[in-house]
Amino acid sequence: EAEVAQSPRYKITEKSQAVAFWCDPISGHATLYWYRQILGQGPELLVQFQDESVVDDSQLPKDRFSAERLKGVDSTLKIQPAELGDSAMYLCASSFNRGGEKLFFGSGTQLSVL
Amino acid sequence: QKEVEQNSGPLSVPEGAIASLNCTYSDRGSQSFFWYRQYSGKSPELIMSIYSNGDKEDGRFTAQLNKASQYVSLLIRDSQPSDSATYLCAVITGGYNKLIFGAGTRLAVHP
Repeated sequence: EAEVAQSPRYKITEKSQAVAFWCDPISGHATLYWYRQILGQGPELLVQFQDESVVDDSQLPKDRFSAERLKGVDSTLKIQPAELGDSAMYLCASSFNRGGEKLFFGSGTQLSVL
Repeated sequence: QKEVEQNSGPLSVPEGAIASLNCTYSDRGSQSFFWYRQYSGKSPELIMSIYSNGDKEDGRFTAQLNKASQYVSLLIRDSQPSDSATYLCAVITGGYNKLIFGAGTRLAVHP
């Protein structure tokens, strides 16, 4: 069964360092999402791609976060510099339909900033 | 006001009982509603979708939608300990069909 691949599974870093997360969506899925989930809260949408274009990044802290999906397939989310408050689970998801319908999530990257 | 609101719980029910989970949303124009289940340490997985007012049944799960009241609910019949998880209500909103999640309700089914 096709899955959304994410790496790394866990990341520990010190504040002010740079971190990067990678996601490979299910083949053929045009829409890719990055969510951040703080313990005890629901996932918060950071950025949504339609093919290679960003269609929503209104909640992305653009002074330190960046995201790209250059060829419309896999994607990278970067944080530089990391802050203590960035500790969370970073979830990547993809969907075949254009926006919101039946998301498939990857296993996530658990980030701890020390 | 949060866009999607849920009681955080925990909601504790005995095995075999009906668990009732509730959700309200703020965007009156929303047309698509979902319930995701998330086990501890795992990613969310879709269990139900509903688009029209009324009830939609799938096995032991029933989703209910009332657009006039901006209210969505999930009923789990014959609850099992394996149903113990956090249930996330999600609503599509906005021009590019953003999927917005509530904070989730933690359900505990005890034997």
